[in-house]
Amino acid sequence: AQSVAQPEDQVNVAEGNPLTVKCTYSVSGNPYLFWYVQYPNRGLQFLLKYITGDNLVKGSYGFEAEFNKSQTSFHLKKPSALVSDSALYFCAVRDGNAGNMLTFGGGTRLMVKP
Amino acid sequence: EPEVTQTPSHQVTQMGQEVILRCVPISNHLYFYWYRQILGQKVEFLVSFYNNEISEKSEIFDDQFSVERPDGSNFTLKIRSTKLEDSAMYFCASSLTPATNEKLFFGSGTQLSVL
Repeated sequence: AQSVAQPEDQVNVAEGNPLTVKCTYSVSGNPYLFWYVQYPNRGLQFLLKYITGDNLVKGSYGFEAEFNKSQTSFHLKKPSALVSDSALYFCAVRDGNAGNMLTFGGGTRLMVKP
Repeated sequence: EPEVTQTPSHQVTQMGQEVILRCVPISNHLYFYWYRQILGQKVEFLVSFYNNEISEKSEIFDDQFSVERPDGSNFTLKIRSTKLEDSAMYFCASSLTPATNEKLFFGSGTQLSVL
């Protein structure tokens, strides 16, 4: 079975500071990892993905994430947070050996204060 | 950017009633999905659909649920006899290729409230 954990319900950061939103996963096969963002009254929007290759993945809006196989983590990062980054962030995983189902974490609310 | 649209945005129904949630996926997409999110809980996979048949479904997707692509544009989720625990935000999604390594495009959701 595949699972995702986002240990923080909320992350608070000041504008201009770096941010990290944590994600750990568990799969039996190769992990395919994704980050999605949800703004109020909107659907989930794709940010970035890791399938294979470089462990550091760059995505939309200046976000990046680092795949760490030994720690089974895929933390989302941004060097300098913007107030407009405030939203709900979801990490998701698909087991490369088991169908197309995406399993999502519980979400982390990012609050960026001016 | 193209969008997945869902209607209605909010549906209120009585327990035991049938509801149909509607979605218009992105026009050239071939794979369609339903997910749901109970308030305060995780986003959960329900079903994936390709070539007019279900390709994968979760344990949540029992006999009370069905999906259909009645024409070339709509993709519907039907709940035959709603239960209180079906109250959730239901998200439709689509992709051009299988979700294997492809991003999904999500709609803004239908909030279903079962009274």
